[in-house]
Amino acid sequence: AQSVTQLDSQVPVFEEAPVELRCNYSSSVSVYLFWYVQYPNQGLQLLLKYLSGSTLVESINGFEAEFNKSQTSFHLRKPSVHISDTAEYFCAVTVSGNTGKLIFGQGTTLQVKP
Amino acid sequence: KAGVTQTPRYLIKTRGQQVTLSCSPISGHRSVSWYQQTPGQGLQFLFEYFSETQRNKGNFPGRFSGRQFSNSRSEMNVSTLELGDSALYLCASSKGGKNTEAFFGQGTRLTVV
Repeated sequence: AQSVTQLDSQVPVFEEAPVELRCNYSSSVSVYLFWYVQYPNQGLQLLLKYLSGSTLVESINGFEAEFNKSQTSFHLRKPSVHISDTAEYFCAVTVSGNTGKLIFGQGTTLQVKP
Repeated sequence: KAGVTQTPRYLIKTRGQQVTLSCSPISGHRSVSWYQQTPGQGLQFLFEYFSETQRNKGNFPGRFSGRQFSNSRSEMNVSTLELGDSALYLCASSKGGKNTEAFFGQGTRLTVV
C-alpha cells in the first residue's frame, strides 16, 4: 500500500528566508506525486505535480520540488518566502495516474513571520 | 468556468441523525471524489465515483455512502452520526482520465453535537 510521510508538522520561518518542507513516500510501484496548499477555511489547491520526465518541477509562485526515486522523497522548496505563503501544505501520492484517489500526508503548517 | 461547488458550507447535526452533502463538479468532469479532513486523522479518502459508478473506496464504515447522478453531481450520506464524524468534508472533481488534475471544493464543515 502507498503511504506518505511529512516529517515536520510545523515549520516556522522568517519572511524572505528559504524553506524546505519534507515529504517521503512509500510504494512498490511507480507513483505520481503532488503538493497541495490549503489556506484557512478553504479547499485544497494544486501547487505542483510530478508525473514523469524531469525530476525537478516548478510552480508559478516560486515553489519547486524534486523527485528523488532512490530516497523516495519529494521535498518542496522555496528560496524566499512571503507572509502570504503562510498555509498548510500537503504532499500526496497516487498510483497509476488515477487522481481520483489521492493518499495524503499529515500536512505541514508553514508559518512565515515578519 | 465555475469551480467545484459544495453545499451546504456548514452543518450542525445531532448524534444519531443522518446527513446528506452535495457536490457539483466542474462542467465536463466525470470523476468525483470525497475526502474527510480531521485534525487527528488528516485527509482521508472516502470514495470516488466515475460515470455513476463507485470506482474506488476507502476504509470507512458502511454508514458512509455516496452516489453520483447522470449529470456527474454527487452526494455523500452519513447515517447514524457519531461525534467523531465531525470534520471538513472535501469533494474533488477531475476529468477522470490518467494524470488529470483534481480540483477541490471549499468543503462542508460538519459538526455533530
